[in-house]
Amino acid sequence: GQNIDQPTEMTATEGAIVQINCTYQTSGFNGLFWYQQHAGEAPTFLSYNVLDGLEEKGRFSSFLSRSKGYSYLLLKELQMKDSASYLCAVSPGSSNTGKLIFGQGTTLQVKP
Amino acid sequence: DSGVTQTPKHLITATGQRVTLRCSPRSGDLSVYWYQQSLDQGLQFLIHYYNGEERAKGNILERFSAQQFPDLHSELNLSSLELGDSALYFCASSAQSGGWMGNEQFFGPGTRLTVL
Repeated sequence: GQNIDQPTEMTATEGAIVQINCTYQTSGFNGLFWYQQHAGEAPTFLSYNVLDGLEEKGRFSSFLSRSKGYSYLLLKELQMKDSASYLCAVSPGSSNTGKLIFGQGTTLQVKP
Repeated sequence: DSGVTQTPKHLITATGQRVTLRCSPRSGDLSVYWYQQSLDQGLQFLIHYYNGEERAKGNILERFSAQQFPDLHSELNLSSLELGDSALYFCASSAQSGGWMGNEQFFGPGTRLTVL
């Protein structure tokens, strides 16, 4: 089957660094996406990884290890507005249809 | 604002009824995706259309159907509604078909469906 695991909740302090992990088991792999979703709002795209390694984008970085079926999202210099749910999603399959399988999401609470 | 529009924002209906949710993709995007988000199951992929053709199907119930019209807007039809169908339904669009950098999916604001 297809499975994506993330921690349910995390708490961090404003100004700190937090790492949100994601492990996946899918039939085929065409890339891994991270989305941010504030409560009651639409998910917004953060990052995409298809090759092993780190992709950096401002305060956000994402890492992928395909051999380990593992990714993490790193958020630096945390701000209160970063309190949200972070969704890990994998594009599975041998043919890249764009279908995404999402994890349950990690709710991050940033405290002052 | 992602540029993807969905109507209506809220829908309250009764069990056994049928509803239609509408989505207009971002200008120029050819792909439309539908997702269902409920508290216990997270974000679930339903179906993907590219330039009017069905490209991929997820765990979409037989009571649900979708189509993409020549002007690229899409509709999701839900029939014989059950209490368990209450959820947030998102539409997303991307320029082309496939999950790759530069073709990320942009989500609309969603339609909250409540079945009583």
